[in-house]
Amino acid sequence: AQSVTQLDSHVSVSEGTPVLLRCNYSSSYSPSLFWYVQHPNKGLQLLLKYTSAATLVKGINGFEAEFKKSETSFHLTKPSAHMSDAAEYFCVVSFSGNTGKLIFGQGTTLQVKP
Amino acid sequence: KAGVTQTPRYLIKTRGQQVTLSCSPISGHRSVSWYQQTPGQGLQFLFEYFSETQRNKGNFPGRFSGRQFSNSRSEMNVSTLELGDSALYLCASSYRERNEQFFGPGTRLTVL
Repeated sequence: AQSVTQLDSHVSVSEGTPVLLRCNYSSSYSPSLFWYVQHPNKGLQLLLKYTSAATLVKGINGFEAEFKKSETSFHLTKPSAHMSDAAEYFCVVSFSGNTGKLIFGQGTTLQVKP
Repeated sequence: KAGVTQTPRYLIKTRGQQVTLSCSPISGHRSVSWYQQTPGQGLQFLFEYFSETQRNKGNFPGRFSGRQFSNSRSEMNVSTLELGDSALYLCASSYRERNEQFFGPGTRLTVL
């Protein structure tokens, strides 16, 4: 079965400290992996994507993610959180042959405390 | 380029009615996908259209349908609305299969 699991439903960090949002996927096929962010009452914005090139992917706003095939993981990190990073984050996967379909994790709410 | 646009942004309907939502993709994008977002079920794939053909479909009842026009604009229709259809409906467009999808702001449907 093709699925994606976000290991934390809620993460709270202090401003200026590192962020780690965890994601695991399950599939027997090579996936494309994405992280999207959704701010309150806003649409989804693409942060970064992995499509079988470099395993360390850099995205917008200082975020990056590392694809680890042996661990089937694609964790999102940022060295220093900013108040504006508070939002819902989705780990997303798509598979060859499953045309146009993104499979979303349940989301992780990131809270940033001053 | 203009982003993905969706109309209307908000809708209130009553049970049993039907509704049509519209999505205009980014210029040059021929693939349009639709998703339903609810607090309980999260984001779920409804269907995908490419060049006016439905290529993929999620696990939703036949009350949910869609179509795509020759200019790549897409509509989705929900007939015989149920309370559980209350959700944010998101449309996304992409240039090619497995490319990233770009999302519109969504249509918030409330069924009373």
